[in-house]
Amino acid sequence: GESVGLHLPTLSVQEGDNSIINCAYSNSASDYFIWYKQESGKGPQFIIDIRSNMDKRQGQRVTVLLNKTVKHLSLQIAATQPGDSAVYFCAENMEGNNRLAFGKGNQVVVIP
Amino acid sequence: NAGVTQTPKFQVLKTGQSMTLQCAQDMNHEYMSWYRQDPGMGLRLIHYSVGAGITDQGEVPNGYNVSRSTTEDFPLRLLSAAPSQTSVYFCASSDDRGAFFGQGTRLTVV
Repeated sequence: GESVGLHLPTLSVQEGDNSIINCAYSNSASDYFIWYKQESGKGPQFIIDIRSNMDKRQGQRVTVLLNKTVKHLSLQIAATQPGDSAVYFCAENMEGNNRLAFGKGNQVVVIP
Repeated sequence: NAGVTQTPKFQVLKTGQSMTLQCAQDMNHEYMSWYRQDPGMGLRLIHYSVGAGITDQGEVPNGYNVSRSTTEDFPLRLLSAAPSQTSVYFCASSDDRGAFFGQGTRLTVV
């Protein structure tokens, strides 16, 4: 069957290098943002979140940056590994009621 | 704690057939939702529910019905399947930290 990653922006990165995935969001009133990772044949999984009162949040090997001025969100993955190959989605909470709006996704391909 | 469980994982339907995609969660979340995912389209919201007895339409509701008789279950019904409904369907259950997704149902309508 056709992969969900077809026709998506694709980032090819060498194993061990850092990856940066970008996302533009639509609603300046959104106050909560999440990055999800979706591996082939699986459902999206939560990676990291950030609230609008912050501009940076770090997790294990991942960092999310939020620029509210230009409505931009980025996900940085340090020392990218083959297991990081997936489609990455950003999501914004637009109404404060758990309803999320998702971006179209970015495919990351890690080259061993 | 199983999280979100979707059944079936795969289904082939003929045009005009009806079926129900099942979704159950054991996290006691009030908010549940159904998405469809098509190549290059991301996740599009079909229907959602903010609690038992309450449902509402999302971005692409046509051809689908939902009900929420219990907090745990949120089935999605296709009343008369069409080839345009060939897709991967995800159920999600949410709290204020975001959505927890099931493993998906790959549906093909021929």
